[in-house]
Amino acid sequence: TQLLEQSPQFLSIQEGENLTVYCNSSSVFSSLQWYRQEPGEGPVLLVTVVTGGEVKKLKRLTFQFGDARKDSSLHITAAQPGDTGLYLCAGGGGADGLTFGKGTHLIIQP
Amino acid sequence: DAGITQSPRHKVTETGTPVTLRCHQTENHRYMYWYRQDPGHGLRLIHYSYGVKDTDKGEVSDGYSVSRSKTEDFLLTLESATSSQTSVYFCAISEAQFTDTQYFGPGTRLTVL
Repeated sequence: TQLLEQSPQFLSIQEGENLTVYCNSSSVFSSLQWYRQEPGEGPVLLVTVVTGGEVKKLKRLTFQFGDARKDSSLHITAAQPGDTGLYLCAGGGGADGLTFGKGTHLIIQP
Repeated sequence: DAGITQSPRHKVTETGTPVTLRCHQTENHRYMYWYRQDPGHGLRLIHYSYGVKDTDKGEVSDGYSVSRSKTEDFLLTLESATSSQTSVYFCAISEAQFTDTQYFGPGTRLTVL
């Protein structure tokens, strides 16, 4: 069974600070997705990375897929209150479809 | 945004009653999924479908059944609801492969009293 561990589970920081959240596994994934979920809504896809070492940027968000395709990170620069939410990573390529991490709850305080 | 709707959005029911949740998509995607999301457990796959009338079990399928008679509709049925099935249920779709990126509906909050 493939598992994805996300850290930290909870993070509360001030507006303007930088942060990094992590998604780690001992398994290799063919792709990795990051989603953001706001209260009362479904997860919304932010990015998909498929190549080891790949880096993608989405405005102030930078996503990196590890060289061995076992881990990923999400870095947010100058966090804003609108970045608040639950960040989920999901790995593709397993026999059971996507494997989801339990998420990082992020709160950006004004 | 992917065209995925779920109905109802909220439901309160009593233990032992049957409940059916509906997922409707307008994207013509082949794969459809039902997940439940609970604190401390994250998203867990209940059942999925890889085509009309083609379905299979996920990680937490006990107590649930599904049906897909049309490409656009995927139904989740709780034959006899229990309090342990109180949860938020999400439908998702993906285009071509089981491991493709998935797009989620808005969710159904189900409370079983």
